[in-house]
Amino acid sequence: KQEVTQIPAALSVPEGENLVLNCSFTDSAIYNLQWFRQDPGKGLTSLLLIQSSQREQTSGRLNASLDKSSGRSTLYIAASQPGDSATYLCAASEGRAYAETSYDKVIFGPGTSLSVIP
Amino acid sequence: KAGVTQTPRYLIKTRGQQVTLSCSPISGHRSVSWYQQTPGQGLQFLFEYFSETQRNKGNFPGRFSGRQFSNSRSEMNVSTLELGDSALYLCASSSRPGLGKERTGELFFGEGSRLTVL
Repeated sequence: KQEVTQIPAALSVPEGENLVLNCSFTDSAIYNLQWFRQDPGKGLTSLLLIQSSQREQTSGRLNASLDKSSGRSTLYIAASQPGDSATYLCAASEGRAYAETSYDKVIFGPGTSLSVIP
Repeated sequence: KAGVTQTPRYLIKTRGQQVTLSCSPISGHRSVSWYQQTPGQGLQFLFEYFSETQRNKGNFPGRFSGRQFSNSRSEMNVSTLELGDSALYLCASSSRPGLGKERTGELFFGEGSRLTVL
C-alpha cells in the first residue's frame, strides 16, 4: 500500500532564504510525482510534475527532483518570498502512462506548511 | 482556456440531508476525480470517472456517489449527511490523449466546494 510522507510538517524561514521540502513514498511503482501549492481555503495549484522517466523539472525559482529508487522527491525553492507562504503537497500517481483507461491511484502527502517572514 | 469549475463554492446543510456538487473539467479533459480534504485526514481520494464510467473508488461509504455526463461534467452526491462530512470537496481533471499516446497524468484542481454540516 502506497504511503506518502512529507518532512517537515511546518517550516518558517526569513525572506530570501533557499529551502528544500521533502517528500517520501513507499512504493516506487509510480508513473509521476506532482507538487502542488495550496493557499488557505483554496484549491490546489499544480507547480511541477515529474514523469517517472525524468529526474527533475524546473520552473522559475522552483526545482523538483525525483529519485524512484530511494522513494524520494525534493522541491527546492530559491530566494523565498512572502508570497511563497502556503501549504505544499506532493502526490504520487500509480497507473500506466500509455494506457488510456489505466485505473490511476493518486496518493497525497500531508503537506508542508511554509511561512516566509518578511 | 477556462480552468476547472466547481459549484457551489460554499454550502451549509443539516444532518440527514443530501447534497449534490458539480464539477466542469477543463475543455478536452475526459477524466474527473474527486477528493475530500479535512484537517484531520488530509486529502483523500473519493472516485475517478472517465468516459461516463467510474474507474476507481476510494474507501468511502456508499453514501458517497458520483456520475459523469457525456460532456465530461461530473457530479458527486452525498446522502444522509453526517457531521463528519464537513470538508472541502475538490475536483480535478486530467487529460487522456488516447491509447498508445503517453499521458502526463497531470491533475488540475478547481477551487473546491466547502460543505458545512450542522
